[in-house]
Formats: sequence, structure tokens, C-alpha cells
Amino acid sequence: EAQVTQNPRYLITVTGKKLTVTCSQNMNHEYMSWYRQDPGLGLRQIYYSMNVEVTDKGDVPEGYKVSRKEKRNFPLILESPSPNQTSLYFCASSLYGRAAEQYFGPGTRLTVT
Amino acid sequence: SQQGEEDPQALSIQEGENATMNCSYKTSINNLQWYRQNSGRGLVHLILIRSNEREKHSGRLRVTLDTSKKSSSLLITASRAADTASYFCATAGGYQKVTFGTGTKLQVIP
Repeated sequence: EAQVTQNPRYLITVTGKKLTVTCSQNMNHEYMSWYRQDPGLGLRQIYYSMNVEVTDKGDVPEGYKVSRKEKRNFPLILESPSPNQTSLYFCASSLYGRAAEQYFGPGTRLTVT
Repeated sequence: SQQGEEDPQALSIQEGENATMNCSYKTSINNLQWYRQNSGRGLVHLILIRSNEREKHSGRLRVTLDTSKKSSSLLITASRAADTASYFCATAGGYQKVTFGTGTKLQVIP
């Protein structure tokens, strides 16, 4: 089944404790992206990647890191999480970039205390 | 900053009625897409309209795009209770960024 998977689905952590949210897609998509969703703000793009080893900042990259060492994986790293990073995070992929429909993962609900 | 702004923020209609929601954006675009999200779940792509298209249909969905006014509308005809969800527009413009609006929350009452 074609899908985007994210892990974990739920995470409660403390300020400053490094964490990684994994994202994987099995559709051989070139483009992958991370978003955060907050009430009243819609989805905001954090980082995106056009291909392996090619990443770029979205609208809200501060406090996040990403890597794209393999085509199928695009982990989101929070080196020192803070409470303002409490949010619902979505990973998405598309076949060839912004012009194509994106397939979304189920989301990761992160709480930083 | 948010590129797309949906209007209205919330909409409540009776089953069988049509639902119209609007999206406005600020800069030139390559295409505009509409997505649907059931409560707290991942978004599902509905329809894509390119900047050189004015109207597009998919089943009960009709999307229009007016690039001179920088706006788009999504019409859902003969709504069903299962259409209850949030609807987002997304614009693809410069570089490879995609910008989502704040969404319209649609409630269809059986």
C-alpha cells in the first residue's frame, strides 16, 4: 500500500531533550516536506527536500533540522525542544515537487513540557 | 506569513445543500490545490488547478481560480454528512515552497 509513515504518533518530552521524528514513504517520491499545524495558523512548512542531499528551509525552520540521506526517509530533528514547539507535525511527499499533489502521513502529536 | 486565507473560517449547512469556501493568496502562483482534513488526521488531496486554468471539476467538487483577483473557490455540491471536515487551500509559488491557508471548518448536518 502506498503510504507515508511517521513515528512516533504521540510524544511527550521535556525541554532540551533531543528527539527525532521519523518519516518514510514507499512511493519513490522525489519531494518530501515537514509541516507543523497549530490552531488558527493552519499548516506551516518547516523544511522540504527536492531529492537526496537537497534540503531547504520553509517558512518556520528555526529550532529544527532535517536530513535526506535516502530517498525514502526524511527525519525531523529537534536538537533542543522548547514548549513553543508543541504542535501537530505532518510529513508529506510528492512525486516531483510543489506542482504535484502531496501525500500526507498520519501526524505526530508532540508535547514539550 | 500565510499565503492563503480561507473564508469563511467555519461553515454549517444542512445535508443536500451546496458548500462554498474561498481562498485568497498574495503572490503569483504555479498552481493551487485543495486538501481536506478529517479531525486531527493527515490531509488528503482533493484537486489541483494550474495558474492557466479557470475552472476544474472532480465529482461533486468544482474549483475556480481567478489569478487577477488572486482568489479561488471550492464548491461542494449536494453535501453529505461525510463531507464534514476542514478544507485547506495550498499555493505553490517560488522555489519549492508550499503554503497552506488557515482552513475552513465545514459541518454538514444530517
